[in-house]
Formats: sequence, C-alpha cells, structure tokens
Amino acid sequence: AQSVTQLGSHVSVSEGALVLLRCNYSSSVPPYLFWYVQYPNQGLQLLLKYTTGATLVKGINGFEAEFKKSETSFHLTKPSAHMSDAAEYFCAVSGPEGAQKLVFGQGTRLTINP
Amino acid sequence: KAGVTQTPRYLIKTRGQQVTLSCSPISGHRSVSWYQQTPGQGLQFLFEYFSETQRNKGNFPGRFSGRQFSNSRSEMNVSTLELGDSALYLCASSLGVLSYEQYFGPGTRLTVT
Repeated sequence: AQSVTQLGSHVSVSEGALVLLRCNYSSSVPPYLFWYVQYPNQGLQLLLKYTTGATLVKGINGFEAEFKKSETSFHLTKPSAHMSDAAEYFCAVSGPEGAQKLVFGQGTRLTINP
Repeated sequence: KAGVTQTPRYLIKTRGQQVTLSCSPISGHRSVSWYQQTPGQGLQFLFEYFSETQRNKGNFPGRFSGRQFSNSRSEMNVSTLELGDSALYLCASSLGVLSYEQYFGPGTRLTVT
C-alpha cells in the first residue's frame, strides 16, 4: 500500500522568500512521485514528477523537488516566492503501473505575504 | 489542443436521486481516471478506464460506477445520492498505460441537499 504525508496544512511565506513544502511517502514498491498545484475553482496542474533517473527534478514556474529514498521524502522548493504562487499544493505517489491511480496527500495551502 | 473538459461544472441534486457526470479527455488520450475531492477526505481515486475497460477501482461503494466509450469519453454515475457525496469530482486523462502525466479537468462541483 502507498501513502503520502504532507507536513503542514498551511504554509505562509513572504514574497521573495524560500518556499519549502514537505512531503513524505510510504511505498512497498519503487515509487513514482508527483507534485500538483490547484488554484481556486480549478483542476490540478502537474508541477513536476519523479519516475526514474536524476533525483533532483525541475518543474514549471521555478519549482523543483528532490527524491531522497533514504528519507522517503520528496520536498518541493522554490528559491523566491511570488504572489502568483498562492495556491494549494498536493504531493502524490503511484506505483510502477503508471500515474493513472494516484494516492494524494492532504494538501498544503500556500499563502504569500506581500 | 483542447484540455480535459467536464460537464456540467456545477450540479445540485436531492438526496436519493442519481447523477451522471461527463468527461471528455484530451484528443488522443485513451485513459481516463476519476477522483473525488472533499474537505474531509481530500483527493480519493474512484476508478480508471482504458480502452473502454475498467483497469483500477478505488474503495468506493457500488453506488459509484463509470464507463468509457469508444471515443475515450467517460461518464461516471452515482445512484441514490447521499449528503456525503457532495464533492468536487475531477477527471484526468493520460495517453495510456505506463503514462506518467495526467491532465486534469476543472471538475464538476456536486452539491447534494
């Protein structure tokens, strides 16, 4: 069975500050890991994914995440927050059967303070 | 290329009724997955269809069902609606088996009164 834990349901940072959203996973098989963003009244947009290969993954909008197997973590970072980054962020895991059946974390709401 | 479309966007139903939601995937995508999003339970996988066959199913009661047509469009049906079925229902499409990128639609907001 797979599961995802996102530490912190709400994170608030100042504009220009570092964004760090934490995600830990549990998986009995090699995991495939994803970060999605959801803006109000919209669906989910894929920010980045880790399947195999390089453990530091770069995504859209300046976000990146690092897969750390020893820590079972896949934290999302952005060096400098922008007001437009305010949204809800979801970490998700799937097994090798593909991304069609995702297990999501509970989400982290990111607020950017001017 | 058009994105994933879901209809209707908003729906209000009464307890005990049934409802059908529709999802049109991105052109060329053959896999469609459905998720339920609620404040309490978060995002939960309902089921996935590929080439008109249900490949995966989540842990939902039999009142929740779905199907996929030959053009990859998908519908999900919820019978005997309960208040707890109020949620945002999201559809996602991908190219197919072993595809690692899913594209989500805007969702259908279902309110059960």
